[in-house]
Amino acid sequence: EAQVTQNPRYLITVTGKKLTVTCSQNMNHEYMSWYRQDPGLGLRQIYYSMNVEVTDKGDVPEGYKVSRKEKRNFPLILESPSPNQTSLYFCASSWESGSTEAFFGQGTRLTVV
Amino acid sequence: GENVEQHPSTLSVQEGDSAVIKCTYSDSASNYFPWYKQELGKGPQLIIDIRSNVGEKKDQRIAVTLNKTAKHFSLHITETQPEDSAVYFCAASKDQAGTALIFGKGTTLSVSS
Repeated sequence: EAQVTQNPRYLITVTGKKLTVTCSQNMNHEYMSWYRQDPGLGLRQIYYSMNVEVTDKGDVPEGYKVSRKEKRNFPLILESPSPNQTSLYFCASSWESGSTEAFFGQGTRLTVV
Repeated sequence: GENVEQHPSTLSVQEGDSAVIKCTYSDSASNYFPWYKQELGKGPQLIIDIRSNVGEKKDQRIAVTLNKTAKHFSLHITETQPEDSAVYFCAASKDQAGTALIFGKGTTLSVSS
């Protein structure tokens, strides 16, 4: 089954404690991205990656890092989380020849206290 | 950069009625316009998309129209059913692979029986 898997689904952490949200896709997609979803603001792109070792900032990259060492994985790293990073996070992947559909993971609800 | 405006933010209809959600975009270079449906507790899922060389596309009860001159596109759902209740997002992209999506803020559709 084609899917994007995020872990964990829920996470409560304290300010300043480094965390990583993992994302893995099994569709051999070249393009992967991270979004955060906040009430009234829709989905905003944090970072994206066009391929292995190629990453770039989206619209709201401050406070986040990513890496793309393998095609299937695209972890999101918060080095020093702050309460304003409390949000619902989605990983997405897309792009194989002939198809532009973006597939989203189930989401990770992060609370930073 | 691209900006996508979506209206209305909430929409309530009776089962069997039609629902229309409208989006406008700012960048005339955008050429790919997908619509995503997000059910409670899940990630967004593509329901229909349209490219700039097409004015209308239909898939059963769902249709999308695009007016390039006015830079707006709309989602039409006919014969609504309770299972259509969800948050709907429009998006725009200007790259060939349909990546780098810029999303609208979303419309919460409620269909009452």
